[in-house]
Amino acid sequence: NAGVMQNPRHLVRRRGQEARLRCSPMKGHSHVYWYRQLPEEGLKFMVYLQKENIIDESGMPKERFSAEFPKEGPSILRIQQVVRGDSAAYFCASSPLRTANTGELFFGEGSRLTVL
Amino acid sequence: AQTVTQSQPEMSVQEAETVTLSCTYDTSENNYYLFWYKQPPSRQMILVIRQEAYKQQNATENRFSVNFQKAAKSFSLKISDSQLGDTAMYFCAFMKQDTGNQFYFGTGTSLTVIP
Repeated sequence: NAGVMQNPRHLVRRRGQEARLRCSPMKGHSHVYWYRQLPEEGLKFMVYLQKENIIDESGMPKERFSAEFPKEGPSILRIQQVVRGDSAAYFCASSPLRTANTGELFFGEGSRLTVL
Repeated sequence: AQTVTQSQPEMSVQEAETVTLSCTYDTSENNYYLFWYKQPPSRQMILVIRQEAYKQQNATENRFSVNFQKAAKSFSLKISDSQLGDTAMYFCAFMKQDTGNQFYFGTGTSLTVIP
């Protein structure tokens, strides 16, 4: 059973470009979470999604950031018009329905975004 | 708002010795979970141990155990018989019950196990 798969592992963008980060949850997991880790900091919650639904996006910046988890395919975190402050590691995690509120998450290895 | 504080940015321990990592948190909630996650150089976050706030008994997972002091809002991690593979960043995390796995993480403690 493959773990949570994130790609790309490393992404370099110039200011003003768009970044798309993809996350395939573990097989059988219907819940996806995105977290951001800035340098020297712990992870910070961004958004929680189920298939075709955003459940909680209270951690998402109001502008330029969006996330989706379509019926088919991976979850996508999209950052438009990137700025240097967006440089960070973005982690995806997934859980099955039965642990959606118990903290039992499985994390991917993260995608490191560097904005030049 | 919830906050999690790890006051030890870096620690080291000799192989086979015991080390304790500190964590305090602040919350007005009564029902919550506490966690320790490990982040090795590969950067993947790995769950080490989990504690439900309503349980008085401290959680234990093999060489890892916690000292949970609810009144003091303290949640330390003890690693016994340290191994080289324990070298990693360790993050303490808090989660309110029924909030869809929304964690609050501390800033981490970098642990180095010295051969």
